[in-house]
Formats: sequence, structure tokens, C-alpha cells
Amino acid sequence: QSALTQPASVSGSPGQSITISCTGTSSDVGGYNYVSWYQQHPGKAPKLMIYDVSNRPSGVSNRFSGSKSGNTASLTISGLQAEDEADYYCSSYTSSSKGVFGTGTKVTVL
Amino acid sequence: EVQLVESGGGLVQPGGSLRLSCAASGFTFSSYAMSWVRQAPGKGLEWVSAISGSGGSTYYADSVKGRFTISRDNSKNTLYLQMNSLRAEDTAVYYCAKDHGGSVVVAQADYWGQGTLVTVSS
Repeated sequence: QSALTQPASVSGSPGQSITISCTGTSSDVGGYNYVSWYQQHPGKAPKLMIYDVSNRPSGVSNRFSGSKSGNTASLTISGLQAEDEADYYCSSYTSSSKGVFGTGTKVTVL
Repeated sequence: EVQLVESGGGLVQPGGSLRLSCAASGFTFSSYAMSWVRQAPGKGLEWVSAISGSGGSTYYADSVKGRFTISRDNSKNTLYLQMNSLRAEDTAVYYCAKDHGGSVVVAQADYWGQGTLVTVSS
């Protein structure tokens, strides 16, 4: 199972919106709505930000939103804040009943 | 409060074995699938293995299939990962994670442990 494809880095100024893409295949992202997004700060465990493509867990800011079109999922962070600077990973369930993560995106707040 | 606490990591020689444990609390353990995810130093996340709530279904990444075995003891609220024939490329922080989707594996982790470091080196 190959890793899902994400841009290596995305940056934006405070208050702006950024979008991170996550491209897979019809055997993972395109075939299931079990797409999730994780935020990871250095030295910390990942934190679930979005599940089932577009749902936010309790306690996650509504500045984070998710969507999917075909084999590509996206995470949008609106009103970018300094605390959003972190690594972000997408993940998907696959046709072989396994999980697969994206390559990861480093978000920089300018 | 959901808590996941991993243990069992350490330094092991290539070809050696190690068993990781993950003690769970704060939720009905047997009602949820569980996973192991690893992260090599400076690298991204890699899904390793998952097990259904009953323990009857298990799944493995191709990179560890035949060498690692996931299991659970629902009476002890504990998840395990038995790692055999370890290689240098298995060096990573290993995280235990609770699956969001209930007893069936959907590979969406809503809670994570703090991780335990496994180093494979001579």
C-alpha cells in the first residue's frame, strides 16, 4: 500500500486560509468515507482533527474543515493562527481493510 | 477520560524480539478496534497493524506481516504487539491508538498514547 500524496509544505499568514490536499486511489480515499486528518506538534502524539471526511471531534476548532472529491481529500484551515503551525497527516481506510497515511505536510505560519 | 499507556520499548539487536503493551482505560475496551502506528525518527506516520474489538480479526502492513503479531486481552484492557525478527528499519516510536469506528476496524484513531521508542541496533 503506497502512502497517500500530500504537499511537503504549505504556508500562510495569520488570518489567512490554507488548504492541504491528500491524493490516493479508488482503493482508499476514493472508495470510502473513512478519511481522517491529524495534527502533530514536535515531540507530541498525533491529534485527530477530522474524521469521516468532514466531521470534527468535540473540542476541535471549527476553523478546521474537511472535504473530498474523487480520489482527493482536503483539509482547510481558516483564520490561520500561530498555534496551527505543525505537521498534518491524512489517513484513509483501504480495500484490504488496512490503514494508510499520507506523506505529511508541514504548515508554517508566516 | 480515555488513557492509553504504552510500555515495552527499548534497545534490541537486529533479529531480536520485543513485546509492546498498551494499557487502556476510560472506555469500554472490548467495544473498540485498536491499532499500532509507528513513526521513524524524523519521518512520517506509518500504519502498522489493527485488531477488531473481539480480537477475531487482525490486519498488518506488508512491511511487518509475518514478523509482528497484534493481540489483545479484553479482561485486562491491554493491547499487545509482539515483534520478531526485528530490523534496523523497524526503529521508531510506536503509538497505540483507539479506533473511532467501534469494534470494526475503520483506521481512524481518535485517541493516541504517548508512544514508546523501539531502537534496533547492534
